Amino acid sequence: GAGVSQSPRYKVAKRGQDVALRCDPISGHVSLFWYQQALGQGPEFLTYFQNEAQLDKSGLPSDRFFAERPEGSVSTLKIQRTQQEDSAVYLCASSPPSRELALPVDEQYFGPGTRLTVT
Amino acid sequence: AQSVSQHNHHVILSEAASLELGCNYSYGGTVNLFWYVQYPGQHLQLLLKYFSGDPLVKGIKGFEAEFIKSKFSFNLRKPSVQWSDTAEYFCAVNRDEGGGNKLTFGTGTQLKVEL
Repeated sequence: GAGVSQSPRYKVAKRGQDVALRCDPISGHVSLFWYQQALGQGPEFLTYFQNEAQLDKSGLPSDRFFAERPEGSVSTLKIQRTQQEDSAVYLCASSPPSRELALPVDEQYFGPGTRLTVT
Repeated sequence: AQSVSQHNHHVILSEAASLELGCNYSYGGTVNLFWYVQYPGQHLQLLLKYFSGDPLVKGIKGFEAEFIKSKFSFNLRKPSVQWSDTAEYFCAVNRDEGGGNKLTFGTGTQLKVEL
């Protein structure tokens, strides 16, 4: 079946430009996550949605970062006035509802990521 | 803050050698533990996970991991690696006590298997 898809796969932006990164989660997955992966590092959490509700945005590095998921499916991560330190791979992941009431979480399925380079 | 440590950043092995990648986490409460793998040019994929029960968990492709609560560790093992295991491996932790569903990842271990 179709996995998580992200677009664009690569984005080059000049410093100061705004960018929008799109994530299409797996159909039926209620949870959606955004992570930022800098070169040589592990992914770092940015924000989390359950359906259309943004339940955790504690990882967003500044108010230039904004995420939305208005209809509970597709999500967009927007970065305003990009800076060089924003250069990274932005990963989206989705997760189905927990199959067992005793388990609070299920595994996350990751997309291929968007590599953002700010020049 | 919760953190995950992977002490081996680069590992080079010959085919058929045994593998053990270390993972330690700092959080003392109840945790869910994961190992993800990223093959060259591909996206992150789940290798195995531990939520509860038997601390020795088996994943795909012959990998296994052992949760040792007293050592805050979740090391990944494979008895005999193959060239196709060349990839980057990430350990990740999720708390299930008010920590939300977010994963905290280690910095990753780059494994190269030589023929």
